[in-house]
Amino acid sequence: RKEVEQDPGPFNVPEGATVAFNCTYSNSASQSFFWYRQDCRKEPKLLMSVYSSGNEDGRFTAQLNRASQYISLLIRDSKLSDSATYLCVVSPLAGGSYIPTFGRGTSLIVHP
Amino acid sequence: DGGITQSPKYLFRKEGQNVTLSCEQNLNHDAMYWYRQDPGQGLRLIYYSQIVNDFQKGDIAEGYSVSREKKESFPLTVTSAQKNPTAFYLCASSRVERGLTDTQYFGPGTRLTVL
Repeated sequence: RKEVEQDPGPFNVPEGATVAFNCTYSNSASQSFFWYRQDCRKEPKLLMSVYSSGNEDGRFTAQLNRASQYISLLIRDSKLSDSATYLCVVSPLAGGSYIPTFGRGTSLIVHP
Repeated sequence: DGGITQSPKYLFRKEGQNVTLSCEQNLNHDAMYWYRQDPGQGLRLIYYSQIVNDFQKGDIAEGYSVSREKKESFPLTVTSAQKNPTAFYLCASSRVERGLTDTQYFGPGTRLTVL
């Protein structure tokens, strides 16, 4: 089983739709959870950090469920500009250190 | 401007040649990382360093080498032993607090093509 798993998609949604992605992780001792956005042929950029209490930034909401070992990202009122790949990052404990591990990403395509 | 830079943006090399990719940061971050990304794939960790003069292998270190002589710099050498070196290489840096990695900031990446 991979340490961090995401559905690669693509998720194909119309403008204005609400879409949600999940990311599961296998190491229960994991810390430091993030969502990054990556546009085609560009570097990843931080979208938001993920906390147990939840985190909201405008149309984006991220949640952490430690009991079920997953993080989620909810995008409301999707825009064409939201089309990108969304990468989750989890830091499992390995060899005494927490090392960031990326999922393979979920592709989102927002169409008119 | 604070940030992380990688050079060059595109690099072409002949098979069997070693090549070194540059990564520099002026964010005063302790930790630096090298990732490889293949088309349609996520980022795979090659090497990371949490302190000067120390670095650790990631998941796919074979055929690569690094050095961390200065806090600001973490060059990656792709050796001729790397069987499939053509890929997009990303460097990142972050703060580390109490052993936990904070937000990673990425350079623009280097696209290496081995002919």
